[in-house]
Amino acid sequence: DADVTQTPRNRITKTGKRIMLECSQTKGHDRMYWYRQDPGLGLRLIYYSFDVKDINKGEISDGYSVSRQAQAKFSLSLESAIPNQTALYFCATSDLFQTNEQFFGPGTRLTVL
Amino acid sequence: AQKITQTQPGMFVQEKEAVTLDCTYDTSDPSYGLFWYKQPSSGEMIFLIYQGSYDQQNATEGRYSLNFQKARKSANLVISASQLGDSAMYFCAMRDFGNEKLTFGTGTRLTIIP
Repeated sequence: DADVTQTPRNRITKTGKRIMLECSQTKGHDRMYWYRQDPGLGLRLIYYSFDVKDINKGEISDGYSVSRQAQAKFSLSLESAIPNQTALYFCATSDLFQTNEQFFGPGTRLTVL
Repeated sequence: AQKITQTQPGMFVQEKEAVTLDCTYDTSDPSYGLFWYKQPSSGEMIFLIYQGSYDQQNATEGRYSLNFQKARKSANLVISASQLGDSAMYFCAMRDFGNEKLTFGTGTRLTIIP
C-alpha cells in the first residue's frame, strides 16, 4: 500500500463549489505539505504543517484553507473554487529528524469549470 | 528569498548517452539542501538524489549523480547511460534549513531518443 495517499485522484467541479482534498500518510511523519503544480511553474507551496497544532501559509495560500485533523491526515479546502485553481495538487510528508526527502502522494488533478 | 533556476525547458538525448540537467540556486542561508525529483507522464513525484550544503563529496545514487559546485551555486543532475524510461520531467528543489520549505524550479522535460 502507498505510504501517502490522496483522495480523490481526479475531480471536476464548478465555479463557486466548496472542494476538499484529503491526504493520509502511514509513514508516521510529523510534517505535511500541500503543493500546487501548474504547467511551466513547477510546484508551489500552499500550506504546511509541522504538527497537529502548527499550520503555516506557503507562498500561494490565498483561496485555500487547511485542516490537520491528526498526525496522519492533512486536508486542503477550496471554499469557493475558481477556474484558475485548476491544477495538479500534491500532498507531501517529511520527518523531523530525517528531512533529506519529502515523500509525495500520487497527486489530485482538479478541474474547475 | 530562495530561488531555483532551471534554464533548459526541454532536452533530447540519444539512448545510452549521459545527460546533464542544469540547476542554479540562490539563497542567503549557509545551511541548505538540494534535491532532484523525477516526474514521469503518470504524474507522481519520485525522489532521486539529495545534496547537503556541507557535504564534502558529490552525491551519487546509482546512475544519478549531483555535480555540486557551491561557489557557482549550481547543482546539476547527471544521468549516466540514459534509458528510455528516463524520459520525464525533472525538477530541482532547495530547502533552507531555516524555514524547512521546499522551493522548486520550473523543470526540464527530458526525452530519450531510441
